[in-house]
Amino acid sequence: DVKVTQSSRYLVKRTGEKVFLECVQDMDHENMFWYRQDPGLGLRLIYFSYDVKMKEKGDIPEGYSVSREKKERFSLILESASTNQTSMYLCASRPTGANTEAFFGQGTRLTVV
Amino acid sequence: AQTVTQSQPEMSVQEAETVTLSCTYDTSESDYYLFWYKQPPSRQMILVIRQEAYKQQNATENRFSVNFQKAAKSFSLKISDSQLGDAAMYFCAYRSAVGGGSQGNLIFGKGTKLSVKP
Repeated sequence: DVKVTQSSRYLVKRTGEKVFLECVQDMDHENMFWYRQDPGLGLRLIYFSYDVKMKEKGDIPEGYSVSREKKERFSLILESASTNQTSMYLCASRPTGANTEAFFGQGTRLTVV
Repeated sequence: AQTVTQSQPEMSVQEAETVTLSCTYDTSESDYYLFWYKQPPSRQMILVIRQEAYKQQNATENRFSVNFQKAAKSFSLKISDSQLGDAAMYFCAYRSAVGGGSQGNLIFGKGTKLSVKP
């Protein structure tokens, strides 16, 4: 089975802290994604990576950056956390190919106080 | 840009009954994929069913089936013989079948929360 693992299920950070959310997949997928999930807004794409060291901005990249130094790991970085970044963060991976399925991690609920 | 709309924020169904969740989408593309994902309280997103736009036949997976109306850009999910374990958030999603880069991303609706009454 494909496994996408996010390093934390719950995280509490202070305003202004630098925050790292880690995601690891074990199926050699080329594509990895970070989404933000908020009630009433669904899932919105923050950043996307289609290869090592390659990244693309999604719909809401402001306040975030990403790092992909190894194929299996995709990190989301909040350079200076703010209270409006309190949310659920979901990581996903998918192999390249037209008819392929995305697999999701279990989510990280981040609270910024 | 493509959009996905789920017009029912919440739905409720009696155990063993049938329920239909609605989804409409907007696109100018002719080739794409549509998905229904389930997110139970455990938060793990699980693929329920998918439909290739070039296929006329509606997809089915056990108790789950879709009504795909390409011309109307409608993609509803029918859950038959509802079970308590079906209670979850359900998200409809779209993905382009052409191009690379960000066109390979899933575009989600806002979700429908399904409750199942015993």
